[in-house]
Amino acid sequence: TQLLEQSPQFLSIQEGENLTVYCNSSSVFSSLQWYRQEPGEGPVLLVTVVTGGEVKKLKRLTFQFGDARKDSSLHITAAQPGDTGLYLCAGTDSWGKFQFGAGTQVVVTP
Amino acid sequence: GAVVSQHPSWVICKSGTSVKIECRSLDFQATTMFWYRQFPKQSLMLMATSNEGSKATYEQGVEKDKFLINHASLTLSTLTVTSAHPEDSSFYICSARLDFNNEQFFGPGTRLTVL
Repeated sequence: TQLLEQSPQFLSIQEGENLTVYCNSSSVFSSLQWYRQEPGEGPVLLVTVVTGGEVKKLKRLTFQFGDARKDSSLHITAAQPGDTGLYLCAGTDSWGKFQFGAGTQVVVTP
Repeated sequence: GAVVSQHPSWVICKSGTSVKIECRSLDFQATTMFWYRQFPKQSLMLMATSNEGSKATYEQGVEKDKFLINHASLTLSTLTVTSAHPEDSSFYICSARLDFNNEQFFGPGTRLTVL
């Protein structure tokens, strides 16, 4: 059973467009991470959010943690082909169990 | 960020042989490391939690006698796939966890192909 639901599963957009990926759960998470993975490589940590309502920015990427710490979103502004990859959210729930979402495959075409 | 390495990055072996994969945390000590398996276009699936100095904890459905894990030091965990078969072919990824904030840092993965 997937504690973390990601949507959409797949997203294909043109360079310059914006996109948002969602990560939702019925469980409360003490912290939540976002990773990006490229083919044949391990996931790379983008950000960790720990406080309900927290917003973090990383250049064109904006991460938000829901007030109740059950959901998160990743927004990319003016996407570029280099943003292409598998985006994974992952979190540690209140029982200390760490789990990944199913992932969102993002493709940005020139 | 913290760096985790894996070796080898890819391996091809014959059916019935055993393969060892190493996972090292290069610039920090990790009491806990994790081993994941990933199939094409899918997310990571946790296989086991490797604890330094004690036995690994395996997820449901993962055979502990087939996937042997050893975490003999705070910077090294090994996964041995014993008597490998073609269905064991996959991308194996390890991670090491920072004790103070539970962040996990991932190795680059090992592509295993069993002929």
